[in-house]
Amino acid sequence: EDQVTQSPEALRLQEGESSSLNCSYTVSGLRGLFWYRQDPGKGPEFLFTLYSAGEEKEKERLKATLTKKESFLHITAPKPEDSATYLCAVQAGVKAGTALIFGKGTTLSVSS
Amino acid sequence: NAGVTQTPKFRILKIGQSMTLQCTQDMNHNYMYWYRQDPGMGLKLIYYSVGAGITDKGEVPNGYNVSRSTTEDFPLRLELAAPSQTSVYFCASRASSGNTIYFGEGSWLTVV
Repeated sequence: EDQVTQSPEALRLQEGESSSLNCSYTVSGLRGLFWYRQDPGKGPEFLFTLYSAGEEKEKERLKATLTKKESFLHITAPKPEDSATYLCAVQAGVKAGTALIFGKGTTLSVSS
Repeated sequence: NAGVTQTPKFRILKIGQSMTLQCTQDMNHNYMYWYRQDPGMGLKLIYYSVGAGITDKGEVPNGYNVSRSTTEDFPLRLELAAPSQTSVYFCASRASSGNTIYFGEGSWLTVV
């Protein structure tokens, strides 16, 4: 069964304190691994897609990496505006119209 | 740039009532999806469509119905609402030629 597990469930950081969020997955025929950001009361906002092990992508203070079993979202010197829930999802094979299978998310709080 | 638009934003239903959540996208995307998001549970796929006239069940379809008469619209129908359908509902879409799935802002539904 295709599955996505995110850890930790919640993370509190001080402004400037770098850390990483983990996403481990088991999936048959990975087409892509996605990271989304979700603010309270909003829909998920696309951040990155990673397609193969060893791939990395960056956007401002965020950097996503991918191995054969997990992905990391590294947050460097976070700011309070980085506070949000970060969702990891996989797209597997051709099942269900290549819909995304989501983890439960990591809620990040950054205090100044 | 409207993207994926959902209406209504908020709705309170009584047990046994029926309603339709509207979703429309202006990006000419063939693939459309309905997810529900419950606290601490991640997003679960309800129904999906790979094009006008074609729909199929996702992971949690019971109690819902969909139709896809046009490329733009993908309404979700709730028949005989139950408290278990209290949730946040997200509509999403993607292009046939791409992998990125774009989400609407969500519809908050409470069944009492």
